Amino acid sequence: DQQVKQNSPSLSVQEGRISILNCDYTNSMFDYFLWYKKYPAEGPTFLISISSIKDKNEDGRFTVFLNKSAKHLSLHIVPSQPGDSAVYFCAAIAGTALIFGKGTTLSVSS
Amino acid sequence: SAVISQKPSRDICQRGTSLTIQCQVDSQVTMMFWYRQQPGQSLTLIATANQGSEATYESGFVIDKFPISRPNLTFSTLTVSNMSPEDSSIYLCSVLTGVRGNTEAFFGQGTRLTVV
Repeated sequence: DQQVKQNSPSLSVQEGRISILNCDYTNSMFDYFLWYKKYPAEGPTFLISISSIKDKNEDGRFTVFLNKSAKHLSLHIVPSQPGDSAVYFCAAIAGTALIFGKGTTLSVSS
Repeated sequence: SAVISQKPSRDICQRGTSLTIQCQVDSQVTMMFWYRQQPGQSLTLIATANQGSEATYESGFVIDKFPISRPNLTFSTLTVSNMSPEDSSIYLCSVLTGVRGNTEAFFGQGTRLTVV
């Protein structure tokens, strides 16, 4: 059973618009969440994280929102750029390891 | 932060053979993690490698198939043994740094394995 779910396998957005990537989780014990970006043939790179004591964290064009009651988090990218085209994984920390969702492929067209 | 050098970056192997993947970290870390990403799937934790003790394997993964070494605090290897085409995946090593509530994971570049 997947504990971290990214139900949209892909998302297409125009350059300059907002990209919203969603993630749901089932384990209420998760208390720290991270988003990673992955280009083909490279390892994932860290984007932004959020602790469960917060409901929002912002870093430049990237904002992560956490709704604990709904067990839902989302990553907003504004404005989207063609270089943002990649696979985005959300992950939750359980103990000392990360549990990942399946990823969402974002395509930003110019 | 941590920089991880992982090699090989890719390999094509014959079924029945074994491949050893190496990860070198530029700082000392207590735990290193090995993940697998099969096509269209999420990153799945294979095992946690602790220095000085046996690795801890997740459900569905066994030491005979994925033996791990952790000779010191900066290095680890994962061997994929007696390979079959189902083992074709990207394999990644990872470390966690920071403290609880302010943790970041760093990954190697990954090893793209194709078994023919």
